[in-house]
Amino acid sequence: QKEVEQDPGPLSVPEGAIVSLNCTYSNSAFQYFMWYRQYSRKGPELLMYTYSSGNKEDGRFTAQVDKSSKYISLFIRDSQPSDSATYLCAMRANFGNEKLTFGTGTRLTIIP
Amino acid sequence: DAGVTQSPTHLIKTRGQQVTLRCSPKSGHDTVSWYQQALGQGPQFIFQYYEEEERQRGNFPDRFSGHQFPNYSSELNVNALLLGDSALYLCASSFGGQGGTEAFFGQGTRLTVV
Repeated sequence: QKEVEQDPGPLSVPEGAIVSLNCTYSNSAFQYFMWYRQYSRKGPELLMYTYSSGNKEDGRFTAQVDKSSKYISLFIRDSQPSDSATYLCAMRANFGNEKLTFGTGTRLTIIP
Repeated sequence: DAGVTQSPTHLIKTRGQQVTLRCSPKSGHDTVSWYQQALGQGPQFIFQYYEEEERQRGNFPDRFSGHQFPNYSSELNVNALLLGDSALYLCASSFGGQGGTEAFFGQGTRLTVV
């Protein structure tokens, strides 16, 4: 069993819809949770960075962490065609600069 | 701020050859981590360098080695290349202070082994 599970999709939604992306994990030592966006053949771009449980909002993006369920989510409101990309969840333990463990990524397409 | 820069962007090598990839971290960052991303997969941790020493290592063979220089830049070396080493190699930089910080990635080096 992988430490981080993420549905690879693909996921297609119409422009303007709310997108929900999710990851589950098994390692209770994970304390920091991140979402990266990766366009084709590019490096991952950091979208959200959160510590422990709770919500964090940045513009059209909201990250949620539920440590009791070992479940994290990313919501994208008013989705745009430019949001079409692969979204990677990543997490790490709380030991200095512990390595990141990634999900497989969800490929998202926003249909105009 | 130039962010994390990697070179080269693309590389084609023959099986059995050796390759060196380079990374310059984001300004103010002192820690460099390397990841391998196969097609359709999430990045897999190779190793991390801090204060010019390998601090952590993932499940990769000794054919993968690295180095960090006093200016915090880093190299990834892969010997005896296999076809399975074909992947996007990503460098991430962060600040190695207590608790750490978020990691920022470069654009990657796409390595093709033929």
